[in-house]
Amino acid sequence: ELKVEQNPLFLSMQEGKNYTIYCNYSTTSDRLYWYRQDPGKSLESLFVLLSNGAVKQEGRLMASLDTKARLSTLHITAAVHDLSATYFCAVDRDGGGSNYKLTFGKGTLLTVNP
Amino acid sequence: DVKVTQSSRYLVKRTGEKVFLECVQDMDHENMFWYRQDPGLGLRLIYFSYDVKMKEKGDIPEGYSVSREKKERFSLILESASTNQTSMYLCASSDYEQYFGPGTRLTVT
Repeated sequence: ELKVEQNPLFLSMQEGKNYTIYCNYSTTSDRLYWYRQDPGKSLESLFVLLSNGAVKQEGRLMASLDTKARLSTLHITAAVHDLSATYFCAVDRDGGGSNYKLTFGKGTLLTVNP
Repeated sequence: DVKVTQSSRYLVKRTGEKVFLECVQDMDHENMFWYRQDPGLGLRLIYFSYDVKMKEKGDIPEGYSVSREKKERFSLILESASTNQTSMYLCASSDYEQYFGPGTRLTVT
């Protein structure tokens, strides 16, 4: 059974600082997704990582995937208050089939303080 | 843009009632999903459908059933609602990426 672990689960950081959220998973998979959720809202897709070594960047966020280490990172550069949200990673539990069923991590609640 | 809509944003039902949650997508996706989200537990898969009339149990199917009579519509049914089914319910459809609806916050009293 695929297990997905995120850490930290809670992250309080100051504006302007850098930090990394880690997503480890337990079985082989080449597909990993990052989502953002604002309070009371649904999930919004941030990044889709589909191969080993994939790196995607959007604004102050950069995601990478190392399938051999079964690890993805979400790096935050020079945080701003607008990045405050819960971030989820999700891993394709079939590792490359056509159903795209995902197992989600528990989420990281990020708070960026002025 | 993919659009996934859910029939209600907020719903309050009584214990024992039969509850229907509807989800509609407009992108001709074959795969559709129902999740529930609870604090500290993340998203858990209830049911999954990979084609019309085809369904598969997820991780927590007990107390739920689903229906997919048309490709664009996937319904979640709580046969007899209980208080432990109070939760946020999220529907998603996917090609290689899952797109989520706005969610239905269900309260069972």
